[in-house]
Amino acid sequence: AQKITQTQPGMFVQEKEAVTLDCTYDTSDPSYGLFWYKQPSSGEMIFLIYQGSYDQQNATEGRYSLNFQKARKSANLVISASQLGDSAMYFCTGNQFYFGTGTSLTVIP
Amino acid sequence: DTGVSQDPRHKITKRGQNVTFRCDPISEHNRLYWYRQTLGQGPEFLTYFQNEAQLEKSRLLSDRFSAERPKGSFSTLEIQRTEQGDSAMYLCASSSTAGPGGYEQYFGPGTRLTVT
Repeated sequence: AQKITQTQPGMFVQEKEAVTLDCTYDTSDPSYGLFWYKQPSSGEMIFLIYQGSYDQQNATEGRYSLNFQKARKSANLVISASQLGDSAMYFCTGNQFYFGTGTSLTVIP
Repeated sequence: DTGVSQDPRHKITKRGQNVTFRCDPISEHNRLYWYRQTLGQGPEFLTYFQNEAQLEKSRLLSDRFSAERPKGSFSTLEIQRTEQGDSAMYLCASSSTAGPGGYEQYFGPGTRLTVT
């Protein structure tokens, strides 16, 4: 089984600044992946980024990047140049069955 | 390419009634997942299918809940003898195991169930 922990219930960031959302995981699986999803107030979950445990480099997708530190068992999401549309809930998940409790991000103009 | 669709979008029912929800995944996706989400929480896994086979069920899925995916395409989730605690958003997602990567999920808009 895999456990996902997101310790930041809410975060605020100034528009155009970067923000890091934390996620730690605990798994006994030798091979696993970490995913981040965004859920705007409209409700629909949107896939953002994926990191495989054997990937040599941190994943990036546009303004999203994953700061993956295997030794610390952390897979933090970095959003660069925040936009107002980034205001949403963000969820981290490992095997995609079990999601963290989420972080609510608010971008301040 | 149409996304994942769910029907109905909203359902209000009286306690004790049965309800059925439908999910149509992205057509080439072989995996289909059901989740329940309550306000302020992350999605809670209920079950998933690979093609028509139901491969895993959460302990949350009591004997009042049943899910099917008879031909490996659309899926239905039925809740029998609904209780007020079943009030939640029911999310469906699909993914493909073809190709590299982690089989990211594509979610539908959800069905909001209110049990009165």
